[in-house]
Amino acid sequence: ETGVTQSPTHLIKTRGQQVTLRCSSQSGHNTVSWYQQALGQGPQFIFQYYREEENGRGNFPPRFSGLQFPNYSSELNVNALELDDSALYLCASSGDRGRLGTDTQYFGPGTRLTVL
Amino acid sequence: QQQVKQSPQSLIVQKGGISIINCAYENTAFDYFPWYQQFPGKGPALLIAIRPDVSEKKEGRFTISFNKSAKQFSLHIMDSQPGDSATYFCAASNRGGSQGNLIFGKGTKLSVKP
Repeated sequence: ETGVTQSPTHLIKTRGQQVTLRCSSQSGHNTVSWYQQALGQGPQFIFQYYREEENGRGNFPPRFSGLQFPNYSSELNVNALELDDSALYLCASSGDRGRLGTDTQYFGPGTRLTVL
Repeated sequence: QQQVKQSPQSLIVQKGGISIINCAYENTAFDYFPWYQQFPGKGPALLIAIRPDVSEKKEGRFTISFNKSAKQFSLHIMDSQPGDSATYFCAASNRGGSQGNLIFGKGTKLSVKP
């Protein structure tokens, strides 16, 4: 186990609705990255938060937004859900940039989102 | 544009055999190359990672071979076991890993037959 937790485990929504997914990072980590993993595919980078600021964004529309809180936990919000948003959403936490031995991004178990 | 190409898509190996998965990348700015293992219903877990200043890294039964000039790297699983049956992803990052976004390959589903 990595110490990264995500909630909820599963979620079913309908098209047009909004969803909030949550992630608690591993103790001592100040960076959270979010990935979308479609069935049978590799994870795709959505965005990253470092000390409460967005620190990079992948090729996802603005209806995907996020937050990082002072305790370094994070939320992923998706508005106006589309059928193609059905996927496993993964959160990964990591440590300070530049510190030796902290290259690893540790993934949580993910939230399975189904959009009907 | 797929920046990390992984092959094969699926692999069947007999118990005790060697599993080999290959990846190729395009961006020469990549400086961190991890391999992740993912079981059904779980998040990816880091197996082993390498930086481009090293040509090989071994941890237990897992070895990464890295060819900088060819822009290729591979994972070798020695003495493959049924418990190794999972999906394996190679990835690459250009910001040292922890602060960079990981770009993943499409994955290789490994089945190890008893």
